[in-house]
Amino acid sequence: TQLLEQSPQFLSIQEGENLTVYCNSSSVFSSLQWYRQEPGEGPVLLVTVVTGGEVKKLKRLTFQFGDARKDSSLHITAAQPGDTGLYLCAGALGNQFYFGTGTSLTVIP
Amino acid sequence: SQTIHQWPATLVQPVGSPLSLECTVEGTSNPNLYWYRQAAGRGLQLLFYSVGIGQISSEVPQNLSASRPQDRQFILSSKKLLLSDSGFYLCACEGATEAFFGQGTRLTVV
Repeated sequence: TQLLEQSPQFLSIQEGENLTVYCNSSSVFSSLQWYRQEPGEGPVLLVTVVTGGEVKKLKRLTFQFGDARKDSSLHITAAQPGDTGLYLCAGALGNQFYFGTGTSLTVIP
Repeated sequence: SQTIHQWPATLVQPVGSPLSLECTVEGTSNPNLYWYRQAAGRGLQLLFYSVGIGQISSEVPQNLSASRPQDRQFILSSKKLLLSDSGFYLCACEGATEAFFGQGTRLTVV
């Protein structure tokens, strides 16, 4: 069962463009994380959001947790080639982590 | 914070051979541990998770098994590998608000 659906699955944009990645669920999560993964390596945590409606900024990345704690978004402003990678959302539900389907981002110089 | 050691980093095995991937954790005790498989450019598919020694839950039926012989050791195994077992395998440990990952194992079954 896939509790967290991400969209889009694949995204290819030009350097300097803006983009938004969505992470949606019908379940309520106590917290939600975003990870970025390079090929051949494990995911690395970017941010954790815990409060409904919470917005966190990390340089050009803006993360938002939905008011009902069922969804989240990641917005990247002026994307750079270094932003290329796989972006994963994950939520804590009960005593287990659940990961999203992933969004593979390619930023073309 | 936790540190996850996972090995080997890459593995090429013939069809029908056995498999043993090992994961050990430092910096915590009694962690929840996970094995995931990942297709290229895609999200993580949960294979097994464990909340304690000898306690294994399987998320999907498959050719693989897992064991937790010690508190900070989690092993992924197979008696006979299939071609479809090829993939990128990740071990993870659950922290207070996030997951910590090993570097992954690229398994190619030939």
